[in-house]
Amino acid sequence: DARVTQTPRHKVTEMGQEVTMRCQPILGHNTVFWYRQTMMQGLELLAYFRNRAPLDDSGMPKDRFSAEMPDATLATLKIQPSEPRDSAVYFCASGLATGGANYGYTFGSGTRLTVV
Amino acid sequence: AQSVTQPDIHITVSEGASLELRCNYSYGATPYLFWYVQSPGQGLQLLLKYFSGDTLVQGIKGFEAEFKRSQSSFNLRKPSVHWSDAAEYFCAVGAIPNFGNEKLTFGTGTRLTIIP
Repeated sequence: DARVTQTPRHKVTEMGQEVTMRCQPILGHNTVFWYRQTMMQGLELLAYFRNRAPLDDSGMPKDRFSAEMPDATLATLKIQPSEPRDSAVYFCASGLATGGANYGYTFGSGTRLTVV
Repeated sequence: AQSVTQPDIHITVSEGASLELRCNYSYGATPYLFWYVQSPGQGLQLLLKYFSGDTLVQGIKGFEAEFKRSQSSFNLRKPSVHWSDAAEYFCAVGAIPNFGNEKLTFGTGTRLTIIP
């Protein structure tokens, strides 16, 4: 089965450090999402891309978060500087949306980030 | 704005018993509806989705869901649960993709516990 690959799986970092999370979407998928999951807030959309172009990043704190797709095989989510409140599991999901149809999104296994 | 309500935070079911997880959505147009399952430490796996047509949809692992427009509901069912079904279940709603905003909005999840 095709998978969405996220690296690293776990990351522990000190407050103020830069963190970069990577996602390899499924080949051929044209839509990529970044979600954050916490106990308090549940699953929150941070940003999403269509054909590598950002369509919505309203859920992302702009002062410290940035998301990019340098090419079709890589999406990155960067936090600089990191803060303890950023501790969460970050999920990437990819999918194919075309012709008005949404074929569902495949999620990666997530990056568990702990900021101390 | 779109929203999803999963009224049951935690449900306990005996192995072999039937299951129904509730989901109510709010969306101004025809929604795309999804059920995902998350096992501890894992990403989200798509169980089933509804776009149009037959309001009873079949998914993987023996799950099914019924779309009821009049009740704004999309409840998940399984006739006989297995211990391996213990997990967190998320209902989600999204817009019809037309190269616009089609983010998935998730409910807060229902944790399913299976007892022998």
